[in-house]
Amino acid sequence: AAGVIQSPRHLIKEKRETATLKCYPIPRHDTVYWYQQGPGQDPQFLISFYEKMQSDKGSIPDRFSAQQFSDYHSELNMSSLELGDSALYFCASSRWGDGDEQYFGPGTRLTVT
Amino acid sequence: DQQVKQNSPSLSVQEGRISILNCDYTNSMFDYFLWYKKYPAEGPTFLISISSIKDKNEDGRFTVFLNKSAKHLSLHIVPSQPGDSAVYFCAPLRGSQGNLIFGKGTKLSVKP
Repeated sequence: AAGVIQSPRHLIKEKRETATLKCYPIPRHDTVYWYQQGPGQDPQFLISFYEKMQSDKGSIPDRFSAQQFSDYHSELNMSSLELGDSALYFCASSRWGDGDEQYFGPGTRLTVT
Repeated sequence: DQQVKQNSPSLSVQEGRISILNCDYTNSMFDYFLWYKKYPAEGPTFLISISSIKDKNEDGRFTVFLNKSAKHLSLHIVPSQPGDSAVYFCAPLRGSQGNLIFGKGTKLSVKP
């Protein structure tokens, strides 16, 4: 079965640079969630989208923005990167009405140097 | 303030025995609870869930128990297998289609 796809899997950036992470949800899933997991930390919710509209917002810095496109894929844009942004970024998807389970992608490991 | 607490950072169990992973939460408004399993370098994998209107849900070797009055849930794995070795996250759901709130996880090691 198709799973959530995230690209790139690994990304190395320098401080103050920008980064764009991409997420392709499971086919027919209409909701996308972004989570950040720092070293030794539990995943923290950043933001979510349902039918291309922002549905919920968590601890996402103002330097970050995200959107969901017409094909339901989502992009997380990160600017003015800081060392503390180094983390695993997970995308998850779900389908409204099919239960509340969220299915996670493999994550993008971002390293800021 | 941590809304979800998994107080045991690690647990070691012998193969074939029962593994019990515990989770406590503070928000009585949670109405759906999910357990995820995570291997290194992979995303969390959905394992089992329970609605707040139930006190037990079973799926094969995995059973989740919910005690709403105590704001406590537990995941039982019987019998435990070496392939179960992973980090297990308790993740209540805040509203339908809402975001998951993860505990810090419990690392389970099942020894052959």
